[in-house]
Amino acid sequence: QLQLHESGPGSVRPSETLSLTCSVSGGFISRSTEYWAWIRQAPGKGLEWLGSAAYRGGTYYNPSVQSRVTISVDASENEVALRLNSVTAADTATYYCARTRSSSWILLMAHWGQGVLVTVSS
Amino acid sequence: DIQMTQSPSTLSASIGDRVTIACRASQSISTWLAWYQQKPGKAPQLLIHGASNLETGVPSRFSGSGSGTEFTLTISSVQPDDFATYHCQQYDTYSAETFGQGTKVEFK
Repeated sequence: QLQLHESGPGSVRPSETLSLTCSVSGGFISRSTEYWAWIRQAPGKGLEWLGSAAYRGGTYYNPSVQSRVTISVDASENEVALRLNSVTAADTATYYCARTRSSSWILLMAHWGQGVLVTVSS
Repeated sequence: DIQMTQSPSTLSASIGDRVTIACRASQSISTWLAWYQQKPGKAPQLLIHGASNLETGVPSRFSGSGSGTEFTLTISSVQPDDFATYHCQQYDTYSAETFGQGTKVEFK
């Protein structure tokens, strides 16, 4: 059974870089054709897709954060990473890692991690 | 960019009620529409994809319909486990906004 687990600092200072890791168990990234994605949810708000990346190539980002975000897939560690530069208070959110339902759709999320809350504060 | 609009934002229901949630896309997305259920403090769970296809294990009281720009999620008889927030999402085109703002189904 596929399980995703997000981890990283719970607090980041403004203007710094937010870095999170998604550890994958119950399946090998190297054998996957699906996309691995990051989605966030600000407190009391809706869901926002940040980007999706596939081990076999292909990375797509939300245009609203494209200049600040990097998603990378590490098959050797069976992990997916998120980096978000130059954060502000508006980046305070619960960040979710997810895997798409198939390789055909970069946005259709079938498996989700439990999420990690990141607060941007000085 | 495609915008997704859900209505209502909040819906009050009693056990056994039939409830319907609407989702509108700003342009046609065919049937590339998904519905997710999210309970407080939990990650969303995919309920329906392709506008009307239930994921394995989703109770048959849930149904989805629509195509083009107008979609609905219906719960035929609300059960205690169904009180949650429901999000629609277009997966036709990646853009700045892919999810609706969510509809909270609360106990009346």
